Amino acid sequence: KAGVTQTPRYLIKTRGQQVTLSCSPISGHRSVSWYQQTPGQGLQFLFEYFSETQRNKGNFPGRFSGRQFSNSRSEMNVSTLELGDSALYLCASSIPRDSGNTIYFGEGSWLTVV
Amino acid sequence: DAKTTQPNSMESNEEEPVHLPCNHSTISGTDYIHWYRQLPSQGPEYVIHGLTSNVNNRMASLAIAEDRKSSTLILHRATLRDAAVYYCILDSYLNYGQNFVFGPGTRLSVLP
Repeated sequence: KAGVTQTPRYLIKTRGQQVTLSCSPISGHRSVSWYQQTPGQGLQFLFEYFSETQRNKGNFPGRFSGRQFSNSRSEMNVSTLELGDSALYLCASSIPRDSGNTIYFGEGSWLTVV
Repeated sequence: DAKTTQPNSMESNEEEPVHLPCNHSTISGTDYIHWYRQLPSQGPEYVIHGLTSNVNNRMASLAIAEDRKSSTLILHRATLRDAAVYYCILDSYLNYGQNFVFGPGTRLSVLP
């Protein structure tokens, strides 16, 4: 079974631009969550989607948004990029409440803002 | 805020067992204990999880204290590939959404 796939793996953007990251969950998984990882803040939860609805949201500004499609694929968008948005963005998928809500992460998208 | 406490770093020799501790004194009755690890430049990888009783899988064993206020991840024979940051996470099975709270984890070094 293919794992969680994230694209692109690496990208460089300029301050003020916007970026869209994509995530394809494991087949059959309907919950997709996003995390940001930085050296200073560690791994932080961004938001989670299930059946195209956002169910949970972390403490991030409105510049960070996401959506989920009917095939469970998800995208996240960051607008008006700031230098501090440089991070590894991780997507995870799961079958909710499946013996403990185990989540499976992708390899991540490395975003550098210059 | 993370609800678990782990040592910042640990060292082990290759082919020896490793015991990674985690304290979670405020655990609730509905909290699962999850362990993930993250190798350099990769996303976190699921290791094991449990609720009340000890668990074993091909990667590791999870020993849960009787009062559930602490747990230990056991790697039976450490290899160089086990060098990673290990995260201990609590998550209630009542949560409908995924909102894992990651602490800084334990950085495990494995010496050849």
